[in-house]
Amino acid sequence: GQSLEQPSEVTAVEGAIVQINCTYQTSGFYGLSWYQQHDGGAPTFLSYNGLDGLEETGRFSSFLSRSDSYGYLLLQELQMKDSASYFCAVRDGMSGQNFVFGPGTRLSVLP
Amino acid sequence: ETGVTQSPTHLIKTRGQQVTLRCSSQSGHNTVSWYQQALGQGPQFIFQYYREEENGRGNFPPRFSGLQFPNYSSELNVNALELDDSALYLCASSLSGGVTDTQYFGPGTRLTVL
Repeated sequence: GQSLEQPSEVTAVEGAIVQINCTYQTSGFYGLSWYQQHDGGAPTFLSYNGLDGLEETGRFSSFLSRSDSYGYLLLQELQMKDSASYFCAVRDGMSGQNFVFGPGTRLSVLP
Repeated sequence: ETGVTQSPTHLIKTRGQQVTLRCSSQSGHNTVSWYQQALGQGPQFIFQYYREEENGRGNFPPRFSGLQFPNYSSELNVNALELDDSALYLCASSLSGGVTDTQYFGPGTRLTVL
C-alpha cells in the first residue's frame, strides 16, 4: 500500500519563507511531485524530484531524500497569490501507473 | 496549444442514476487519468488510459468505468450513483504516461448526487 503525510495547514506572512513537508510510504518509488491548487481550480504542476537533492524553479524549490522517504516544498518571498492547497504526490503500483496524492496542505498568506 | 477541457462543468443527479463525464486531452497527449476529489481532500486516482487501454486502476468499484477514443479524448462513466459519489472529478493528460511525465489537469466536473 501507499500513504503520504503532510501538515494540514500552514500560515505565513507576505515576503516570508515557508516549508511544507511530505513523508511517504510506497511499494515502489518513481519520484515525488508537487502540485498547487487554488480554491475552485485545477491542480497545477510545480515540481518533480526523481533523485535526492534540491530542485529550484524560481521562488519554489523542492527537496527529496529517498533514504528518509521525505521531501519538502520551499516557497520563498511569499505573495498573497500563493494562498492555495499544496499536494505532494507519488507514483505507485507495479509499474508506476497509480498516482497517489497526499491529503494536502492549505497555505494561508497574510498581509 | 489547447489545454485539457472537461464537460459539463456542473452536474446534479439522483441516487441510482448513471452519469457520463467527458475530457479532451491536451494536444499530443496519449494518456489520460481520472481522479475523484472530495471537498478538502487530495485527488484520488480512479484509473489511467494509455492508447485506448486501461493500464492502471485505483481502489474504485467496477461501477466506475472509462473509455479512451482514438483521438485520445476520454469518458468516465459511473453507474448506480451513490451519495458519496458527490465530488469534483478531474481528468489529467500526459504525453506518454511515463513515470516522470507531468500531468496536466482539466478544470473538473462538479458532480452532486441527491
